[in-house]
Amino acid sequence: DGGITQSPKYLFRKEGQNVTLSCEQNLNHDAMYWYRQDPGQGLRLIYYSQIVNDFQKGDIAEGYSVSREKKESFPLTVTSAQKNPTAFYLCASSIRGWGTEAFFGQGTRLTVV
Amino acid sequence: GESVGLHLPTLSVQEGDNSIINCAYSNSASDYFIWYKQESGKGPQFIIDIRSNMDKRQGQRVTVLLNKTVKHLSLQIAATQPGDSAVYFCADGPFGAGSYQLTFGKGTKLSVIP
Repeated sequence: DGGITQSPKYLFRKEGQNVTLSCEQNLNHDAMYWYRQDPGQGLRLIYYSQIVNDFQKGDIAEGYSVSREKKESFPLTVTSAQKNPTAFYLCASSIRGWGTEAFFGQGTRLTVV
Repeated sequence: GESVGLHLPTLSVQEGDNSIINCAYSNSASDYFIWYKQESGKGPQFIIDIRSNMDKRQGQRVTVLLNKTVKHLSLQIAATQPGDSAVYFCADGPFGAGSYQLTFGKGTKLSVIP
């Protein structure tokens, strides 16, 4: 929705493997975000990027990595260092910060098997 | 509202009635507040937002009320419909171009009884 696409919708990973979640937007937004959502919990910020080639850690960055080589793309890698990676991952983008036009993607559900 | 463990607060309303969903926030410095709707397995959808210089804002069938004194936010949905069934959560934080971190609540599950 809103020109922001996450893929895949479902992802299964074996323990010890890294996996990369895709997030692409065609809204010309400068800012992009990754959140993690666990059952019955609020969204928690993993990383955010204000502009191309720049990103900052959020509240729960340990075990995750990101890159922002293109304005349209903000992939998230869940590394084997993430102790409890099974969750629903949401990407969002905004023109600049929150309060400017912002949209979420449809999410990727990651399950570690 | 706040949830305990994995269980979200639940609100059940009859179709056609009005719904009121509440949210408490803790940061008195927050000056921007948003309500989102999230259907099962989907990403959150923006419903309405409000700045701290306002205490009420209306949209289509929705009204947000802000009480900064007690740090409380509410979402009112008029003439609730089955399609309104979802989890609703609020978020708060600073406003504008320099604000990149919001605090998201855990949500309230709204069930509409046909």
